[in-house]
Order: sequence, then structure tokens, then C-alpha cells
Amino acid sequence: SYVLTQPPSVSVAPGQTARLTCGGNNIGSRGVHWYQQKPGQAPVMIIFYDSDRPSGIPERFSGSNSGNTATLTISRVEAGDEADYYCQVWDSASDHYVFGAGTKVTVL
Amino acid sequence: EVQLVESGAGLVKPGGSLRLSCAASGVTFRNAWLSWVRQAPGKGLEWVGRIKSKGDGGAIDYAAPVKGRFSISRDDSRNTLYLQMNSLKTEDTAVYYCTTHYSSGLDSWGQGTLLTVSS
Repeated sequence: SYVLTQPPSVSVAPGQTARLTCGGNNIGSRGVHWYQQKPGQAPVMIIFYDSDRPSGIPERFSGSNSGNTATLTISRVEAGDEADYYCQVWDSASDHYVFGAGTKVTVL
Repeated sequence: EVQLVESGAGLVKPGGSLRLSCAASGVTFRNAWLSWVRQAPGKGLEWVGRIKSKGDGGAIDYAAPVKGRFSISRDDSRNTLYLQMNSLKTEDTAVYYCTTHYSSGLDSWGQGTLLTVSS
């Protein structure tokens, strides 16, 4: 089955830029979705199909996808961005939906 | 605004059964593809299964850990999604979320309901 690899944690100072990666075999050929989950809350979709933002999601959140790596970029990081972030794709071979293990973002 | 409200979870003994429900509003339910996603305590997200709309064939698929034990169904007249869980194991302990699909992404999520499988 298809595997997505995310770093367990990323630390970033307020106002700086955080780049979260999601690795997978030829992931650039797939549509990648990203979710933010704050403690005690349900996940929220923040990026769909690599780089599109649902309404209400700040422009500080952006995404890209090429080759074997998809990237979620959080610009001008704020304390409220502390959360777990998950990438997700659809695996056409199995018709299943696959999540990465998640990256915990800590704002210093 | 889409609202998804899960219910029906609680404490069950290993080997037991339980049915979760998810009531939806703010969405054309009969056209919606729906998934269940779970999250074990302190762990990441795990897709459980998906049901397509009847108009798209109604196909149902399950993740390997639950295939043969869990069953997803829908009642479009009640705007409700179900997850029938049988032969429950301790490793099924998790918060269970119902979600709607935006194509291959999951764009709306319920607040989740906690299932604990323990003797």
C-alpha cells in the first residue's frame, strides 16, 4: 500500500516560515490534501489538491507538490498555528485513502 | 454550513458490537461520498472506510484492519451515515469521525465520538 512519510516534529519561531514535508513515491502525480488538527479538536482541511485553500483559510498557508515530496508552507507563523498537520492522498490502486503520520508544529 | 454529528460510541467489551451514527445537515446528503476516519489515543489519523453516493454506484471500501468486521451504510432519507462494528478489539479504541468528501479530500468533519474497547 502507498506510504506517506512526514517528519514527527517541526519547531519554528513566531513570524518565521515553517515548511512541512510529505514524502511518497512519485507523490507529484497525486493530489495531496493537508489537514490541521489542534488539541482536542477535529481535523480541518487547510489545503486541497496540492495548493488550493478552502474558504476561510488564511493565505499564510500554501502548498506545493512535485516529484517525491509535497510541501505545506506556513508563512509568518503565529502561536495559534501550533497543531498537528497531516497530509493525505487517494491511492487509486487500492481505492483507499492514506494519511501521513502527522507533523507536530511547535511555535517557540 | 455542513454539520456532522456522530453518536453511539461508549465502552464495549472485546468481541462486542456497536453501531455509530452520523447525522448530517447543510449538505445534499444523497449526493455525498462519506468516510469514517478514526484516531487512537495519542496517535494519527486512520481512514476506516468510504461509501459512495447511490448515484455514483454506492460502492463501499474498507481499510484492511476493519474489513470483514465493520460495515458502512447510509440512509439518505434520514441524512444519516452508519458504522456497524462487530468483533471489536482493544485496538479499535479510538475517536471516530465521519467526514464528507470533496473528491479525494475530506472537507468536512464531525466532532468525533470516542469508542473504548476494554474488559
